[in-house]
Amino acid sequence: EIVLTQSPGTLSLSPGERAALSCRASQSVSSSYLAWYQQKPGQAPRLLIYGASTRATDIPDRFSGSGSGTDFTLTISGLEPEDFAVYYCQQYGGSPWTFGQGTKVEVK
Amino acid sequence: QVQLQESGPGLVKPSETLSLTCTVSGGSISNYYWTWIRQSPGKGLEWIGYIYYSGNTNYNPSLKSRVTISVDTSKNQFSLKLNSVTAADTAVYYCARLVVTAIGRAFDVWGHGTMVTVS
Repeated sequence: EIVLTQSPGTLSLSPGERAALSCRASQSVSSSYLAWYQQKPGQAPRLLIYGASTRATDIPDRFSGSGSGTDFTLTISGLEPEDFAVYYCQQYGGSPWTFGQGTKVEVK
Repeated sequence: QVQLQESGPGLVKPSETLSLTCTVSGGSISNYYWTWIRQSPGKGLEWIGYIYYSGNTNYNPSLKSRVTISVDTSKNQFSLKLNSVTAADTAVYYCARLVVTAIGRAFDVWGHGTMVTVS
């Protein structure tokens, strides 16, 4: 099983600041099979990025994904109030498909 | 716009079978993969399995012996059955659409989720 480790566990930032979230895989993952999701309290996760770097439909361009192999990053270039949430990475490269434990982005 | 809605009992007794249905509206169930995911405080997000509209399935090995996912194209629905449940199966259960493209795969549409308690 591919384990995804996200860091930091919590990121405390102010609106307008840049956020960089890390996702490290225990084995190499094809870039095509890495996605990022955002989840707000009481809501289902929402797809942000797939194929490691492709934004999903209607996702603002302040969200960007990068990385390859075992190291992937989600960057939010300037935090908006609605961006404070929990973010998960997920891999589809090995069975079972797995999620990271999440990074919470909170208001400082 | 495609929408998904989970339905089923919110309370299941230990050792019994958890049964949920996901209704797809605003689009056809055909030509897509459909999946079940659950989320619990202890285990986070966990992929359960998926089904193609034609009926082909793929399950999480950790749950494979207890899981069945089926599809009813005439009703635009797919379903989850998880047998021999224990308290560890208590979670919010989501249904979602899996898209497979040349760029990658992703769960692009999700239901709101339904809480299932085993007690």
